[in-house]
Amino acid sequence: SQTIHQWPATLVQPVGSPLSLECTVEGTSNPNLYWYRQAAGRGLQLLFYSVGIGQISSEVPQNLSASRPQDRQFILSSKKLLLSDSGFYLCAWRGTGAEAFFGQGTRLTVV
Amino acid sequence: RKEVEQDPGPFNVPEGATVAFNCTYSNSASQSFFWYRQDCRKEPKLLMSVYSSGNEDGRFTAQLNRASQYISLLIRDSKLSDSATYLCVVNRGGGYQKVTFGIGTKLQVIP
Repeated sequence: SQTIHQWPATLVQPVGSPLSLECTVEGTSNPNLYWYRQAAGRGLQLLFYSVGIGQISSEVPQNLSASRPQDRQFILSSKKLLLSDSGFYLCAWRGTGAEAFFGQGTRLTVV
Repeated sequence: RKEVEQDPGPFNVPEGATVAFNCTYSNSASQSFFWYRQDCRKEPKLLMSVYSSGNEDGRFTAQLNRASQYISLLIRDSKLSDSATYLCVVNRGGGYQKVTFGIGTKLQVIP
């Protein structure tokens, strides 16, 4: 069966520091992969999605970037974090029926 | 107009009550529909898909109204454990890769 791993679970970073969040998927090949952010009390905002290695689509201009160096690996990065980057970051992969399955998420607090 | 719209609630209902949520979508070409459940500080989890003919899973019934462009979720005999945020998801299909989430409707079942 397919599983998705995301780490770390929580992270506290100072403003201006870099960020790297990693997500890996097991049990499937060539999945569509997604990064979402959920600010406190808000809905899920799609940040990036990828349909294959090296293919990244950005949904909103922001202080973040994404990369997909391997088929089942999706990385979210920032060179310099802002306070507004705080939130709950979720990685997801999409199944054959178009439904999305999420990792456990990373709760990022920028201080 | 937002692609997917939900009443954020909260809906406060007594245990045993029946409660229904609606979710409207703007793109008439949308093809796949889902309901997710998100517990506090957790990742969203797939609750059920929504089929054109409607579908039922125990106390939960999902329906699709293409003419009016909305999906609904009915919960019968509410349990305390049903307290969560319910997110609707709409996917355009046809190779369109984005999975769009509504903001979610918060349900609180009270004893």
